[in-house]
Amino acid sequence: AQSVSQHNHHVILSEAASLELGCNYSYGGTVNLFWYVQYPGQHLQLLLKYFSGDPLVKGIKGFEAEFIKSKFSFNLRKPSVQWSDTAEYFCAVTGTGRRALTFGSGTRLQVQP
Amino acid sequence: EAGVAQSPRYKIIEKRQSVAFWCNPISGHATLYWYQQILGQGPKLLIQFQNNGVVDDSQLPKDRFSAERLKGVDSTLKIQPAKLEDSAVYLCASSLRTSGLAKNIQYFGAGTRLSVL
Repeated sequence: AQSVSQHNHHVILSEAASLELGCNYSYGGTVNLFWYVQYPGQHLQLLLKYFSGDPLVKGIKGFEAEFIKSKFSFNLRKPSVQWSDTAEYFCAVTGTGRRALTFGSGTRLQVQP
Repeated sequence: EAGVAQSPRYKIIEKRQSVAFWCNPISGHATLYWYQQILGQGPKLLIQFQNNGVVDDSQLPKDRFSAERLKGVDSTLKIQPAKLEDSAVYLCASSLRTSGLAKNIQYFGAGTRLSVL
Protein backbone atom coordinates (compact mmCIF):
# COMPACT_ATOMS: atom_id res chain seq x y z
CA ALA A 1 0.00 0.00 0.00
CA GLN A 2 1.10 3.53 -0.70
CA SER A 3 1.98 5.88 2.13
CA VAL A 4 3.40 9.38 2.43
CA SER A 5 5.26 10.79 5.42
CA GLN A 6 5.72 14.46 6.15
CA HIS A 7 8.07 14.80 9.07
CA ASN A 8 7.47 18.44 9.93
CA HIS A 9 4.01 19.06 11.29
CA HIS A 10 4.42 22.73 12.16
CA VAL A 11 7.17 25.03 10.95
CA ILE A 12 7.63 28.64 12.02
CA LEU A 13 9.97 30.86 10.01
CA SER A 14 10.77 34.53 9.72
CA GLU A 15 10.37 36.29 6.38
CA ALA A 16 13.34 35.80 4.04
CA ALA A 17 14.33 32.53 5.71
CA SER A 18 14.87 29.48 3.55
CA LEU A 19 12.36 26.64 3.59
CA GLU A 20 12.66 22.92 3.16
CA LEU A 21 9.77 20.59 3.90
CA GLY A 22 10.42 16.88 3.91
CA CYS A 23 8.32 14.28 2.11
CA ASN A 24 9.01 10.56 1.86
CA TYR A 25 6.79 8.04 0.16
CA SER A 26 6.43 4.31 0.10
CA TYR A 27 5.50 2.74 -3.21
CA GLY A 28 7.07 0.01 -5.28
CA GLY A 29 6.33 1.22 -8.80
CA THR A 30 6.45 4.30 -10.96
CA VAL A 31 5.04 7.33 -9.20
CA ASN A 32 3.68 10.76 -9.87
CA LEU A 33 4.44 13.24 -7.08
CA PHE A 34 2.68 16.42 -6.08
CA TRP A 35 2.77 19.25 -3.61
CA TYR A 36 -0.53 20.95 -2.86
CA VAL A 37 -0.99 24.11 -0.80
CA GLN A 38 -4.00 25.25 1.18
CA TYR A 39 -4.02 28.93 2.12
CA PRO A 40 -6.24 29.92 5.05
CA GLY A 41 -9.87 29.73 4.02
CA GLN A 42 -9.09 28.52 0.51
CA HIS A 43 -9.22 25.22 -1.33
CA LEU A 44 -6.33 22.92 -2.11
CA GLN A 45 -4.24 24.20 -4.99
CA LEU A 46 -1.52 22.48 -6.97
CA LEU A 47 1.89 23.94 -6.19
CA LEU A 48 4.02 21.69 -8.38
CA LYS A 49 4.19 18.18 -9.81
CA TYR A 50 6.63 15.56 -11.00
CA PHE A 51 5.73 13.03 -13.68
CA SER A 52 9.04 12.20 -15.35
CA GLY A 53 12.25 13.74 -16.64
CA ASP A 54 14.24 16.37 -14.77
CA PRO A 55 14.01 15.49 -11.06
CA LEU A 56 14.16 19.17 -10.10
CA VAL A 57 10.76 20.68 -10.74
CA LYS A 58 9.70 24.27 -10.38
CA GLY A 59 6.27 25.39 -9.36
CA ILE A 60 4.38 28.58 -8.72
CA LYS A 61 5.49 31.37 -6.39
CA GLY A 62 9.16 30.40 -6.44
CA PHE A 63 8.75 26.92 -4.99
CA GLU A 64 10.73 23.94 -6.24
CA ALA A 65 11.03 20.29 -5.32
CA GLU A 66 13.57 17.59 -5.98
CA PHE A 67 12.69 13.96 -6.64
CA ILE A 68 15.39 11.64 -5.30
CA LYS A 69 14.34 8.15 -6.35
CA SER A 70 16.97 6.34 -4.26
CA LYS A 71 15.69 8.05 -1.12
CA PHE A 72 11.97 7.90 -2.02
CA SER A 73 11.87 11.61 -1.28
CA PHE A 74 10.28 14.69 -2.83
CA ASN A 75 11.27 17.62 -0.64
CA LEU A 76 9.84 21.09 -1.16
CA ARG A 77 12.10 24.13 -1.08
CA LYS A 78 11.95 27.87 -1.33
CA PRO A 79 15.01 30.11 -0.91
CA SER A 80 13.22 33.02 0.75
CA VAL A 81 9.73 32.76 2.24
CA GLN A 82 7.19 35.54 2.47
CA TRP A 83 4.41 36.18 4.95
CA SER A 84 1.95 35.24 2.19
CA ASP A 85 3.40 31.70 2.15
CA THR A 86 1.66 31.00 5.44
CA ALA A 87 -0.43 27.94 4.63
CA GLU A 88 -0.66 24.19 4.98
CA TYR A 89 1.39 22.13 2.56
CA PHE A 90 0.55 18.58 1.52
CA CYS A 91 2.72 16.09 -0.31
CA ALA A 92 0.84 13.49 -2.36
CA VAL A 93 1.59 10.53 -4.60
CA THR A 94 -0.17 8.39 -7.19
CA GLY A 95 1.07 5.22 -8.81
CA THR A 96 0.19 3.29 -11.94
CA GLY A 97 -2.17 1.00 -10.09
CA ARG A 98 -3.97 3.77 -8.25
CA ARG A 99 -5.22 6.98 -9.75
CA ALA A 100 -6.36 8.68 -6.56
CA LEU A 101 -3.92 10.68 -4.47
CA THR A 102 -2.41 9.40 -1.26
CA PHE A 103 -1.65 12.41 0.93
CA GLY A 104 0.74 13.03 3.75
CA SER A 105 -0.60 14.51 6.97
CA GLY A 106 0.45 18.02 6.00
CA THR A 107 2.87 20.66 7.28
CA ARG A 108 1.56 23.88 8.66
CA LEU A 109 3.91 26.74 7.75
CA GLN A 110 3.71 29.98 9.68
CA VAL A 111 5.81 32.87 8.39
CA GLN A 112 6.32 35.73 10.79
CA PRO A 113 6.81 39.25 9.37
CA GLU B 1 -12.69 28.02 -16.50
CA ALA B 2 -15.06 27.32 -13.62
CA GLY B 3 -13.64 25.22 -10.82
CA VAL B 4 -15.09 22.31 -8.88
CA ALA B 5 -18.29 23.42 -7.16
CA GLN B 6 -19.42 21.98 -3.85
CA SER B 7 -22.38 22.66 -1.61
CA PRO B 8 -23.15 23.29 1.12
CA ARG B 9 -19.99 24.86 2.56
CA TYR B 10 -20.93 24.05 6.12
CA LYS B 11 -23.32 21.61 7.73
CA ILE B 12 -24.08 20.90 11.38
CA ILE B 13 -26.15 17.86 12.29
CA GLU B 14 -26.77 15.64 15.27
CA LYS B 15 -25.53 12.07 15.36
CA ARG B 16 -27.80 9.53 13.72
CA GLN B 17 -29.14 12.15 11.30
CA SER B 18 -28.52 11.93 7.59
CA VAL B 19 -26.69 14.44 5.37
CA ALA B 20 -25.89 14.83 1.69
CA PHE B 21 -23.18 16.74 -0.13
CA TRP B 22 -23.19 17.77 -3.75
CA CYS B 23 -20.33 18.21 -6.21
CA ASN B 24 -20.17 19.51 -9.77
CA PRO B 25 -16.79 18.83 -11.38
CA ILE B 26 -14.98 20.89 -13.97
CA SER B 27 -16.71 20.57 -17.33
CA GLY B 28 -15.35 17.66 -19.35
CA HIS B 29 -13.61 15.96 -16.45
CA ALA B 30 -14.36 12.24 -16.59
CA THR B 31 -13.00 11.33 -13.18
CA LEU B 32 -14.47 12.48 -9.89
CA TYR B 33 -13.16 11.80 -6.39
CA TRP B 34 -14.55 12.24 -2.91
CA TYR B 35 -12.02 12.65 -0.10
CA GLN B 36 -12.50 12.92 3.65
CA GLN B 37 -10.16 15.24 5.55
CA ILE B 38 -10.23 14.89 9.32
CA LEU B 39 -8.70 17.76 11.29
CA GLY B 40 -4.93 17.43 11.45
CA GLN B 41 -4.74 14.80 8.71
CA GLY B 42 -4.35 14.74 4.97
CA PRO B 43 -7.30 13.98 2.72
CA LYS B 44 -8.19 10.31 2.38
CA LEU B 45 -9.99 8.86 -0.64
CA LEU B 46 -13.53 7.66 -0.08
CA ILE B 47 -14.62 6.88 -3.64
CA GLN B 48 -13.51 7.44 -7.21
CA PHE B 49 -15.77 7.53 -10.28
CA GLN B 50 -14.82 7.26 -13.92
CA ASN B 51 -17.79 8.77 -15.77
CA ASN B 52 -20.73 7.15 -13.94
CA GLY B 53 -18.93 3.96 -12.87
CA VAL B 54 -17.15 3.32 -9.59
CA VAL B 55 -13.39 2.74 -9.94
CA ASP B 56 -12.43 2.48 -6.28
CA ASP B 57 -14.66 2.46 -3.21
CA SER B 58 -12.47 0.24 -1.05
CA GLN B 59 -12.21 2.85 1.72
CA LEU B 60 -15.85 3.90 1.73
CA PRO B 61 -17.71 2.79 4.92
CA LYS B 62 -20.54 1.28 2.96
CA ASP B 63 -22.74 0.62 5.96
CA ARG B 64 -23.36 4.36 6.26
CA PHE B 65 -21.83 6.14 3.27
CA SER B 66 -23.13 6.07 -0.27
CA ALA B 67 -22.30 8.01 -3.39
CA GLU B 68 -23.64 8.25 -6.89
CA ARG B 69 -22.82 9.93 -10.18
CA LEU B 70 -25.82 8.93 -12.22
CA LYS B 71 -25.26 10.93 -15.41
CA GLY B 72 -21.49 11.00 -15.25
CA VAL B 73 -21.40 14.68 -14.30
CA ASP B 74 -22.34 15.85 -10.83
CA SER B 75 -22.22 13.63 -7.79
CA THR B 76 -23.83 13.26 -4.38
CA LEU B 77 -22.25 11.79 -1.25
CA LYS B 78 -24.60 10.74 1.54
CA ILE B 79 -24.05 9.72 5.15
CA GLN B 80 -26.85 7.89 6.93
CA PRO B 81 -26.75 7.70 9.92
CA ALA B 82 -23.94 10.06 10.85
CA LYS B 83 -21.53 9.36 13.71
CA LEU B 84 -19.44 11.78 15.73
CA GLU B 85 -16.28 10.55 13.99
CA ASP B 86 -17.69 11.65 10.62
CA SER B 87 -16.92 15.26 11.53
CA ALA B 88 -14.53 16.32 8.80
CA VAL B 89 -14.18 18.30 5.60
CA TYR B 90 -15.49 16.43 2.57
CA LEU B 91 -13.57 17.34 -0.55
CA CYS B 92 -14.54 16.72 -4.12
CA ALA B 93 -11.92 16.66 -6.87
CA SER B 94 -11.99 16.04 -10.58
CA SER B 95 -9.48 15.23 -13.28
CA LEU B 96 -9.52 14.98 -17.04
CA ARG B 97 -8.45 11.38 -17.49
CA THR B 98 -6.84 8.44 -15.72
CA SER B 99 -5.55 6.10 -18.45
CA GLY B 100 -2.16 4.52 -17.86
CA LEU B 101 0.31 6.89 -16.31
CA ALA B 102 -1.38 9.85 -17.94
CA LYS B 103 -0.61 13.23 -16.49
CA ASN B 104 -3.50 13.14 -14.09
CA ILE B 105 -3.90 16.43 -12.27
CA GLN B 106 -6.69 16.69 -9.74
CA TYR B 107 -8.49 19.95 -9.06
CA PHE B 108 -10.23 20.39 -5.73
CA GLY B 109 -13.37 22.12 -4.61
CA ALA B 110 -13.60 24.23 -1.47
CA GLY B 111 -15.09 21.35 0.51
CA THR B 112 -18.01 20.89 2.87
CA ARG B 113 -17.21 21.15 6.57
CA LEU B 114 -19.41 18.73 8.51
CA SER B 115 -19.84 18.91 12.26
CA VAL B 116 -21.67 16.04 13.93
CA LEU B 117 -22.87 16.85 17.45
